[in-house]
Amino acid sequence: DAKTTQPTSMDCAEGRAANLPCNHSTISGNEYVYWYRQIHSQGPQYIIHGLKNNETNEMASLIITEDRKSSTLILPHATLRDTAVYYCIAINSGGSNYKLTFGKGTLLTVNP
Amino acid sequence: NAGVTQTPKFRILKIGQSMTLQCTQDMNHNYMYWYRQDPGMGLKLIYYSVGAGITDKGEVPNGYNVSRSTTEDFPLRLELAAPSQTSVYFCASTRPGEYQPQHFGDGTRLSIL
Repeated sequence: DAKTTQPTSMDCAEGRAANLPCNHSTISGNEYVYWYRQIHSQGPQYIIHGLKNNETNEMASLIITEDRKSSTLILPHATLRDTAVYYCIAINSGGSNYKLTFGKGTLLTVNP
Repeated sequence: NAGVTQTPKFRILKIGQSMTLQCTQDMNHNYMYWYRQDPGMGLKLIYYSVGAGITDKGEVPNGYNVSRSTTEDFPLRLELAAPSQTSVYFCASTRPGEYQPQHFGDGTRLSIL
């Protein structure tokens, strides 16, 4: 699985969009980009994943650059409950049996 | 829909004691996983199972055992607790199909003194 690089921490004002970057310059063609988050004292939570097209669901949007070397997770209207550590992972798995390996992630702090 | 449920939420053990961490899911997922997360660190896979009766080792299986007699339950057993096993333990599950996300429980915080 490709290595990913994320900023250690970011701040965002409540109600504003939070844009979390991730660099995955060594990603291979069949690796998906996944985003999970971990709110303090809770289990990791899946947010979104994508291969090369931009994706949107009820939680967030994922923008992947055309060369697939980086991506941005967008929380359109951040709330205090979005304060968490966000993990970007590149996973190569054609099936659902895969191991999750989290790096340090980005601590997003949403401020009132 | 409860998702993945782990019990207990907290536990303190003495060195050499044994215990079983319980994990159950009500989503009919075939695949289940046990991870541990040490303070400030990422996840490490302990054991996983692709279905009832089938289990396999992950990265850090030493000191642990698992069983999978039903689709719903995947208990993790610590036989002789050691201080190095102080950690937060997460159970996860996922359904078959390509690139399915893993669903996690809220963890068991285990301290061994």
